Amino acid sequence: EPEVTQTPSHQVTQMGQEVILRCVPISNHLYFYWYRQILGQKVEFLVSFYNNEISEKSEIFDDQFSVERPDGSNFTLKIRSTKLEDSAMYFCASAPVGSYSGNTIYFGEGSWLTVV
Amino acid sequence: TQLLEQSPQFLSIQEGENLTVYCNSSSVFSSLQWYRQEPGEGPVLLVTVVTGGEVKKLKRLTFQFGDARKDSSLHITAAQPGDTGLYLCAGAEGGDGNNRKLIWGLGTSLAVNP
Repeated sequence: EPEVTQTPSHQVTQMGQEVILRCVPISNHLYFYWYRQILGQKVEFLVSFYNNEISEKSEIFDDQFSVERPDGSNFTLKIRSTKLEDSAMYFCASAPVGSYSGNTIYFGEGSWLTVV
Repeated sequence: TQLLEQSPQFLSIQEGENLTVYCNSSSVFSSLQWYRQEPGEGPVLLVTVVTGGEVKKLKRLTFQFGDARKDSSLHITAAQPGDTGLYLCAGAEGGDGNNRKLIWGLGTSLAVNP
């Protein structure tokens, strides 16, 4: 069964460093997302991406964050200068396009980011 | 801001018992998804419900979407230790489904004891 894959599974970085989290969405999907989950808290929406541009972003997704689809298969999340509070599990997700509201979002296994 | 509240937050039961967990909101969602999440892993989709009043069954799991599409329940019959995990509900904002921003609950942590 097709799945969303993410790398790395775990990354430890120093505060202030840049981090790039990578995702390979399901191949025929056209909507891509990043969510994050701080330990013990709810999953939070960060950004959605469609047709090579951001379609919606949350308050969390400030100027330190950016997303890119550099080629036909990868979808990346970059954090320019990491802060301690960026420590979280980051989930990539993808969905097929369509107007049917039952379209499901499929999640990857997550990338656990620890900022020290 | 739309919120989803899940209850109970924690549930510990014996193998063979039945249980129901709830997902409630004051807002209407275009659809609602139930996920199960293991520690350190991503959410794994169980079901998507779309129509008010819809009932879906997945083996011993029964999911219901409220008539007003504001709430949902998950009922597990004859729970087994393998059902242990965190059950999350997530509601989709937006009517056309093309921009599927999900609003999440905090989850119900279920422990089924042998």
